[in-house]
Amino acid sequence: QQPVQSPQAVILREGEDAVINCSSSKALYSVHWYRQKHGEAPVFLMILLKGGEQKGHEKISASFNEKKQQSSLYLTASQLSYSGTYFCGTETQGGSEKLVFGKGTKLTVNP
Amino acid sequence: NAGVMQNPRHLVRRRGQEARLRCSPMKGHSHVYWYRQLPEEGLKFMVYLQKENIIDESGMPKERFSAEFPKEGPSILRIQQVVRGDSAAYFCASSLNRYTEAFFGQGTRLTVV
Repeated sequence: QQPVQSPQAVILREGEDAVINCSSSKALYSVHWYRQKHGEAPVFLMILLKGGEQKGHEKISASFNEKKQQSSLYLTASQLSYSGTYFCGTETQGGSEKLVFGKGTKLTVNP
Repeated sequence: NAGVMQNPRHLVRRRGQEARLRCSPMKGHSHVYWYRQLPEEGLKFMVYLQKENIIDESGMPKERFSAEFPKEGPSILRIQQVVRGDSAAYFCASSLNRYTEAFFGQGTRLTVV
């Protein structure tokens, strides 16, 4: 039931773009994206609900393809502050509403 | 509105002792989740609770671990007879309902010596 994230790690130069993918083997009700910096708590980025949508948050946006049970997080013109580990959390349809996270994608943005 | 409060932030226990981790959700939030995280690893789901009810505890070890979320007061994650392998960061998160974001506390770092 744990979603699968790819890639596991990404290294960028400031200003470059990145895409992080999250896929599930089960039908999804929602996808939640978080960023965690070392030694800190995960910070909420955005939530996408069933219905196939795209959301934006400054230069970070995400899409949710309900039919493919996939979500992608798009980071454009990356900044140094984007460095951290990105987690997607999923709630499956017909489940208990619990939120299960993938193993994370470590993003490093260098000057 | 204060965020999710976890205490203590750091907890050291000797093997065999009990550890009690507390989580006060954000005001108005009735959904609480507990996760365990080892260094450089992901967030492993442990238990999902709503007020006075355990909704899903499929991620909790069957022995020594228990959780509650009483009508009044914080949610408690209790680990009895701790072992070295219990050392980890334990995060709780709370949400208003399934349609809204979950906010995380700062975590409790448990060290078993």
